[in-house]
Amino acid sequence: EAQVTQNPRYLITVTGKKLTVTCSQNMNHEYMSWYRQDPGLGLRQIYYSMNVEVTDKGDVPEGYKVSRKEKRNFPLILESPSPNQTSLYFCASSLAAGRSNQPQHFGDGTRLSIL
Amino acid sequence: KQEVTQIPAALSVPEGENLVLNCSFTDSAIYNLQWFRQDPGKGLTSLLLIQSSQREQTSGRLNASLDKSSGRSTLYIAASQPGDSATYLCAANTGANSKLTFGKGITLSVRP
Repeated sequence: EAQVTQNPRYLITVTGKKLTVTCSQNMNHEYMSWYRQDPGLGLRQIYYSMNVEVTDKGDVPEGYKVSRKEKRNFPLILESPSPNQTSLYFCASSLAAGRSNQPQHFGDGTRLSIL
Repeated sequence: KQEVTQIPAALSVPEGENLVLNCSFTDSAIYNLQWFRQDPGKGLTSLLLIQSSQREQTSGRLNASLDKSSGRSTLYIAASQPGDSATYLCAANTGANSKLTFGKGITLSVRP
């Protein structure tokens, strides 16, 4: 089944303890991105990747890192999490970026609580 | 900067009603517009994607239209059912980086 898989789905942790949220897609998609969803603010893009080894900042990149060493994986890294990073996170992918009219597919989300 | 608005924030209708969900965007230079459904505690499910050159797309009881010049898209749901209850989000793709700019969504409740 074609899907975007995120892990973990839920995580409660403490300030400053490094964590990684994994994202994997099995559709051979070139484009991947991360969003966070907050009440009243909606979904905002954190980082995106046009292809392997190519990543760039979205609208709210502060406090996050990403890497794209393989086509299928795009982990989101919080080096020193803070309470303002408590949010619902989504990973998305699509076949290609730019002028492509390929739909973007989203994972089921990761709910992070930073205490 | 692209801004996407969905009004109202919530809608409650009786089962069987045909309904229209509205989405407006400020920058008409979009590549495409995508409609999603989000169920509580779940991810986003893609419903329809309309390319900038298209006027509408249909999938089952759903029909999405796009009017770039006026900065509007609508999602038409025919013969609504309680199972249609969810939050519906529209998202405009305007950048070479394929960033989606989302509206805040319309939470739909279909009463039996």
